Amino acid sequence: NAGVTQTPKFQVLKTGQSMTLQCAQDMNHNSMYWYRQDPGMGLRLIYYSASEGTTDKGEVPNGYNVSRLNKREFSLRLESAAPSQTSVYFCASSGPPYEQYFGPGTRLTVT
Amino acid sequence: AQSVTQLDSQVPVFEEAPVELRCNYSSSVSVYLFWYVQYPNQGLQLLLKYLSGSTLVKGINGFEAEFNKSQTSFHLRKPSVHISDTAEYFCAVIQNSGNTPLVFGKGTRLSVIA
Repeated sequence: NAGVTQTPKFQVLKTGQSMTLQCAQDMNHNSMYWYRQDPGMGLRLIYYSASEGTTDKGEVPNGYNVSRLNKREFSLRLESAAPSQTSVYFCASSGPPYEQYFGPGTRLTVT
Repeated sequence: AQSVTQLDSQVPVFEEAPVELRCNYSSSVSVYLFWYVQYPNQGLQLLLKYLSGSTLVKGINGFEAEFNKSQTSFHLRKPSVHISDTAEYFCAVIQNSGNTPLVFGKGTRLSVIA
């Protein structure tokens, strides 16, 4: 099992460009999550999906959209990137008893 | 809603010394508790978890944590640290119905000094 995979690993964008971060899990988990990690801020939840077909906002959803494509895949889209979105993005998935499994992360720089 | 406070943002400790990383949580309902570790340039991996039963929980790499309901704490301990334990450690909580996402603390950076 690959667990949780994320693509790409690194990305550099110019302000105003768009991109989609991809995430997939092979553990048959119902719930999936997108976090961003910034120095001194810990992990902040952007969006999550408790089950296929549902998505909910987390703590910092502004500037992002998500799609739960199917049970395996959960993508995060930046429509118009801003320097404030420079961060490391982590995808995670979980099933009962709710421990989360994390992907390796995507390092995004917006110039 | 739940919240987590990690009381120390950085903890330096000499190799082979004991260490305790502190975590307090706030919740009006019963919770599950977790500790995760993040090595440099990697994702998070689960160290240990408390779901129910014995309040002393043992995890990977010689770490253990004790759930204290009256003090709403879940401190992480290791009796003798190694250089390889240098990493960031995150405490997390979720209400035991599982209807809301994990809530993470801001992390404690453990630096082990040779």
